Amino acid sequence: GDSVTQMEGPVTLSEEAFLTINCTYTATGYPSLFWYVQYPGEGLQLLLKATKADDKGSNKGFEATYRKETTSFHLEKGSVQVSDSAVYFCARPDTGRRALTFGSGTRLQVQP
Amino acid sequence: KAGVTQTPRYLIKTRGQQVTLSCSPISGHRSVSWYQQTPGQGLQFLFEYFSETQRNKGNFPGRFSGRQFSNSRSEMNVSTLELGDSALYLCASSLESGGRDEQFFGPGTRLTVL
Repeated sequence: GDSVTQMEGPVTLSEEAFLTINCTYTATGYPSLFWYVQYPGEGLQLLLKATKADDKGSNKGFEATYRKETTSFHLEKGSVQVSDSAVYFCARPDTGRRALTFGSGTRLQVQP
Repeated sequence: KAGVTQTPRYLIKTRGQQVTLSCSPISGHRSVSWYQQTPGQGLQFLFEYFSETQRNKGNFPGRFSGRQFSNSRSEMNVSTLELGDSALYLCASSLESGGRDEQFFGPGTRLTVL
């Protein structure tokens, strides 16, 4: 079945450090890919998306490129802030049903 | 445009009771999906409704049920609560096909079963 694999957390960085959170997906079809962010005590917010190969999604300084050849959608940010501390989820639509399959989430902690 | 709203935000129940959670989607969105989030299992799909019809269901027991009204608002019900049902229940809405389009999530309902 469809699956999404994320790197284990927590990821702890100092402010202004470079961030990469790895995400790979099963290559069933050519799905749209999403990154969601969850701040403490809140629901999920869509951070960015890409709908086809080589697309780059970007928002709030975060970027991710849809790589079909490596089935990856890694999240990057050049300079993290304390306010970026949250849990990040990579997701793709299921092939056979109208639902999202999420990765396990990666907790990011940014220290001042 | 108002976002997805969920009520109540917090609930405490005891084993054996039943509970009903409510979700109001973004205006114009016809698809509503429900997810359960737990530390152990992560985010798991419960079911999806579109135009008052359940179109997809996840791998949850029959104690979990839902419905959607003509105004697209949705409710989910859990009967005979178990301790393992303690979770954050998230509702998401989307314009059309649910899952293929981006989904917009509400803040969730935190259910604690004692």
